[in-house]
Amino acid sequence: DVKVTQSSRYLVKRTGEKVFLECVQDMDHENMFWYRQDPGLGLRLIYFSYDVKMKEKGDIPEGYSVSREKKERFSLILESASTNQTSMYLCASSLMGRKAFGSGTQLSVL
Amino acid sequence: TQLLEQSPQFLSIQEGENLTVYCNSSSVFSSLQWYRQEPGEGPVLLVTVVTGGEVKKLKRLTFQFGDARKDSSLHITAAQPGDTGLYLCAGEGEETSGSRLTFGEGTQLTVNP
Repeated sequence: DVKVTQSSRYLVKRTGEKVFLECVQDMDHENMFWYRQDPGLGLRLIYFSYDVKMKEKGDIPEGYSVSREKKERFSLILESASTNQTSMYLCASSLMGRKAFGSGTQLSVL
Repeated sequence: TQLLEQSPQFLSIQEGENLTVYCNSSSVFSSLQWYRQEPGEGPVLLVTVVTGGEVKKLKRLTFQFGDARKDSSLHITAAQPGDTGLYLCAGEGEETSGSRLTFGEGTQLTVNP
C-alpha cells in the first residue's frame, strides 16, 4: 500500500508566521496534491504537481505556495499565516487514478 | 468550476437500518469515487465507478453511477456501528486530467448500537 506521510499531526502558529507543511510519499507517484478540509465545505484543492519542479494552482491557491524539489516530497508553504488558514490540511499522491491520502495536519493559527 | 452536492449532510440511524447517500451534479464526470474518512485520518478510497449505470458492491455497500454520469449513490444495508464515519464523493471531470478531483461536502454518518 502507498504510504503518504505528513510531518505533523497538529500545529499551532501565530498570525504572520511562515509555516511549512511537509508531505512524503513512498511509491514513486508522479502526482501530488494539497487540500484543505473545512466543515461543510468538503476538500478544496490548493495546489497540485504532476512532476518534480512542476506546480499548478488548484481552486484556492491564494495565500499559499508549494515546492516540489524531489519526486517524493511536496511541501505547502504559508508565507504569512492568517487566522482564516486554520484548517485540516491533507496531502495526497496518485497514480493511474488511485489516490492515497495522508493522515492530515490540523493547523491552528492564533 | 464543477460542483458536487452531497445529501444528507448528517445522518444518524440505528444499527440494522438501511441508508442511502446521494451525490449530484449538473456536470458530467469521467469517473466518480467514494471515500470514507474516520476522525484524525485522511480519506480512504472505497470504490471508483467509471461507466454510466455501473453498480459496484463492497460487502453491505452498493455504489451506483447514474446513466448520464452526473450523479451517484451509496446504499448501505443493515448498517453497523463500524460504518460510522464521513463519506465523501469525488468526481473527475471530463476536461481535467491527472486525477484532479472535485469533492462533495461529505455525509457524516453515525450508526448507533
